[in-house]
Amino acid sequence: KNQVEQSPQSLIILEGKNCTLQCNYTVSPFSNLRWYKQDTGRGPVSLTIMTFSENTKSNGRYTATLDADTKQSSLHITASQLSDSASYICVVSDRGSTLGRLYFGRGTQLTVWP
Amino acid sequence: EADIYQTPRYLVIGTGKKITLECSQTMGHDKMYWYQQDPGMELHLIHYSYGVNSTEKGDLSSESTVSRIRTEHFPLTLESARPSHTSQYLCASSDEASGELNEQFFGPGTRLTVL
Repeated sequence: KNQVEQSPQSLIILEGKNCTLQCNYTVSPFSNLRWYKQDTGRGPVSLTIMTFSENTKSNGRYTATLDADTKQSSLHITASQLSDSASYICVVSDRGSTLGRLYFGRGTQLTVWP
Repeated sequence: EADIYQTPRYLVIGTGKKITLECSQTMGHDKMYWYQQDPGMELHLIHYSYGVNSTEKGDLSSESTVSRIRTEHFPLTLESARPSHTSQYLCASSDEASGELNEQFFGPGTRLTVL
């Protein structure tokens, strides 16, 4: 069964600190993995997309890593800001289906305190 | 910011009412999707469309229906709303040209509450 598991479920950090969110997946055959940021009451916004051949990708203070062998990904946030408070969702796409089906994790709820 | 819009943003209605959630995108994307999301849970695909006059049911069974008469418009309808339909509904679209990446752009969502 294709699944995406994220940890931790929730995280509280102080402004300016770094943090790392984890994602494990069993989706096969793998096509790509993306991290989305979802503010409360809003739709998800894409942060990074990585294909099988990519093992790291950055977007400002966000750096995602991918280990396709162990089927693990992480999202590292540097020098956190209050505006980083949101849910971070790991999404994996499979290869081969015409739809390009997406498998969603439940997200990590990050809260940044001043 | 993606050019995909949903209305209304919030809707509170009584049981038995018929409702239509609107979704429009101005990017000319072929594929459009409806997801349902409960608090703290993952998104579940309930409907999708490859293009005009194409609609399919997603992974999660839903009593809602959709139509795709125009490329830019993908409304979702509930004929008789029930409290179990209370949820957040997210619309998304993607460009066929993005190929395997299938990058989906999401609207802001509609928060539906059925009393």
